[in-house]
Order: sequence, then structure tokens, then C-alpha cells
Amino acid sequence: DVKVTQSSRYLVKRTGEKVFLECVQDMDHENMFWYRQDPGLGLRLIYFSYDVKMKEKGDIPEGYSVSREKKERFSLILESASTNQTSMYLCASSFDASSSGANVLTFGAGSRLTVL
Amino acid sequence: GQNIDQPTEMTATEGAIVQINCTYQTSGFNGLFWYQQHAGEAPTFLSYNVLDGLEEKGRFSSFLSRSKGYSYLLLKELQMKDSASYLCAVRDSNYQLIWGAGTKLIIKP
Repeated sequence: DVKVTQSSRYLVKRTGEKVFLECVQDMDHENMFWYRQDPGLGLRLIYFSYDVKMKEKGDIPEGYSVSREKKERFSLILESASTNQTSMYLCASSFDASSSGANVLTFGAGSRLTVL
Repeated sequence: GQNIDQPTEMTATEGAIVQINCTYQTSGFNGLFWYQQHAGEAPTFLSYNVLDGLEEKGRFSSFLSRSKGYSYLLLKELQMKDSASYLCAVRDSNYQLIWGAGTKLIIKP
């Protein structure tokens, strides 16, 4: 069964702490994405990557950075967590490297981060 | 700006039929997706429409009208396990996904 695994389901951090959210996929997918999900809002794209060591900013990259050193792993980093980064973070991956086709996303179960 | 609208919440009865609407205004169109998300779980893919018309998959069907900027997801013979949020997303001219806020569907016995 194909899988996207996020290392932490629940995290509680203090303002100013550095936070790492890890995501691993076992499907040999080229594309990986980080979204945040907040009540009443659609999924918002933070960063994405189409290849190893490659990253692109999404719609809301401020306050975040990412790392993709290996194809299967895509990490989201909050250098200095703030209370407005309290959210559900969803990692996703997709196979289709081209822009055509369905390019279906496979999501992880999410990491709920609370920043106090 | 780009916008996806869908109802916030809907309630339906077990065994009945429900239609969840999605209207969109985007910069270009390269496909529309429906995902299902149970509470506390990952969204999972339900359907993809790129041409006008109805796509049927068992109890679930999805319809698209590109000229009207409109789609719906039709769920038949509702079961309690269909209680979930349903997310509509449109891929725009830059092949980026624009997401609606989701429709929470509550199924009552």
C-alpha cells in the first residue's frame, strides 16, 4: 500500500523554537508538497519540490523553509515558531512529473502543531 | 483573484442521495479534483474531471461544466462512513491546485 508518512502527529512547541516536520514517501514519487490546513480555509501551499535538492515557494512560504536531500524525504522547517503557525500541516506527493494527466496527490495523515 | 466556493456543511440521511456543489473562478483550467477527508485523517482522491460531463465511480459521481465554472459531487445510497469533508480543487493555467475550504457532510441514521 502506497504511503506518505509524517513523523509526528502532534507537536507542542514554544514561540521561538525551531521545528522540524519530516515527511517520507515510499512510492518513488518525484513531486512532494507541504500544505497547511486551517478551519474555514482551503489547503494552502507552503513549498513544493519536483526533484532532489530542488524547491519552489508556494503561496505562503514566509516563516518556513524546506529541505529535500533525498528523493523520498521532504522536510519542513520553522526557524522560529510563532503562534500564527499553529495549524495542521499536510505533506503530499505525486508521481507525474509532467504537467498533464491527473497527477493525483497522496497525502500523509498530517502533523498538528501547536505553538504556545 | 482565484476562488473556489463550496458549502461549509451539509446534512443528509443514510440511504439518501446528496449533491455537493463547487463553483470556481480561476486563471485557466486544467482539471478539477474531489478529495474525501475523514476527521483526523489524510485527504484521499475521489475523482478527476477535465472534460465536461459526468464521471461515475460506483456510488460516487462527479460532474463538470467548464463554461459555467461548476462541478458537483453526487453521493448515492449514503452510508454512515461517508461522513467526512469533501474538498474541491481546481488546477489552474500554471498547473497549481487551488483548493476550496471543503464541505463537511454529516450523515444521520
